Amino acid sequence: AQSVAQPEDQVNVAEGNPLTVKCTYSVSGNPYLFWYVQYPNRGLQFLLKYITGDNLVKGSYGFEAEFNKSQTSFHLKKPSALVSDSALYFCAVMDKLSFGAGTTVTVRA
Amino acid sequence: KAGVTQTPRYLIKTRGQQVTLSCSPISGHRSVSWYQQTPGQGLQFLFEYFSETQRNKGNFPGRFSGRQFSNSRSEMNVSTLELGDSALYLCASSQASGGWNTGELFFGEGSRLTVL
Repeated sequence: AQSVAQPEDQVNVAEGNPLTVKCTYSVSGNPYLFWYVQYPNRGLQFLLKYITGDNLVKGSYGFEAEFNKSQTSFHLKKPSALVSDSALYFCAVMDKLSFGAGTTVTVRA
Repeated sequence: KAGVTQTPRYLIKTRGQQVTLSCSPISGHRSVSWYQQTPGQGLQFLFEYFSETQRNKGNFPGRFSGRQFSNSRSEMNVSTLELGDSALYLCASSQASGGWNTGELFFGEGSRLTVL
């Protein structure tokens, strides 16, 4: 079975600083990886995905993610975080779209 | 294009009752999947329907069931409610089965169920 893991429950950064949300995966074959974001009392919104091709994937709201096959990672990054980026972030993988446990990001002003 | 619509948004039930939640997918989407979100367990896959057929099922007891209609609208039902069923139930639609093949899922805002 395919799965993802998000090792950090919470990430706290200051506005303007780089933001990284970590995700590692365990799959057999080629992984199809996704990132979603959930704002309070809302459903999940798609940010970006990796299917094949360039290891650096660019997505919505200035986010990008780097696929690293040797480290089986798919970390989400943003060069300069905003207070409005504070939300719950989920990494997900194909196969019933298995979700990680989620990482709460808090960006302080 | 209208998004995924879930009804009701909030509901309160008591133990032993049953509940039915509804999901209307984005027009043209034939796949609907359901998820349970709780603070302790995160986001758990319940089941997925495509063209009125259940394609995948998560590890939930038989009290949780669903169906999909010919217009792709879906309902999920939980019978004999337990306190632990209190959660946000999210529905997502996609064009292809599973959606996770190459395309993303589009989520509704969820139905928040409280069981007293």
